[in-house]
Amino acid sequence: AQTVTQSQPEMSVQEAETVTLSCTYDTSESNYYLFWYKQPPSRQMILVIRQEAYKQQNATENRFSVNFQKAAKSFSLKISDSQLGDTAMYFCAFRGGATNKLIFGTGTLLAVQP
Amino acid sequence: EAQVTQNPRYLITVTGKKLTVTCSQNMNHEYMSWYRQDPGLGLRQIYYSMNVEVTDKGDVPEGYKVSRKEKRNFPLILESPSPNQTSLYFCASKVQLGEGLMGEQFFGPGTRLTVL
Repeated sequence: AQTVTQSQPEMSVQEAETVTLSCTYDTSESNYYLFWYKQPPSRQMILVIRQEAYKQQNATENRFSVNFQKAAKSFSLKISDSQLGDTAMYFCAFRGGATNKLIFGTGTLLAVQP
Repeated sequence: EAQVTQNPRYLITVTGKKLTVTCSQNMNHEYMSWYRQDPGLGLRQIYYSMNVEVTDKGDVPEGYKVSRKEKRNFPLILESPSPNQTSLYFCASKVQLGEGLMGEQFFGPGTRLTVL
């Protein structure tokens, strides 16, 4: 069975600094998708960034980028120029290539300090 | 505006009192799903539906029921709620693409349920 592990329950970063959130996963599939979701205090689930496993190039979305290491089954999220509005819970999620089900990690609570 | 709506957003109830949390999407999505979020556990899938009249269990289905009589609606039913069902619930929907295609899952705003 696939699993997603986020080993950092909480992290803190100063405004304008860069922070990296870790995520590892376990799967025997070769085709799959990986996602990072942001959950601010409003509780809304917001898709931040996504990566297709067959693409070697790391995905980027403005200040958010990923470091996708397929062999190591690692999918970390880098937030550059952190802003107060980045304060949120961040979830890493996995989806197999032939399924719609998302498997989530336990989340990392990120606090951006002024 | 494309969206997934859930009602109610907050609910406090007592053990054994049947309740329904509604979910509706306006994007004509085939796939719909319910998740529960608990501290330290992330989100876990309760039930999902691939299309009208097609539903199946997720990872934590005990104590829940669902139905999919219309494409846009996917209610979550708790026949006899218990305190261990106190949680944050999310409904999500997604277009059913061919295998190998990504597609984005859209989430509702969440329902905070407390069972006393």
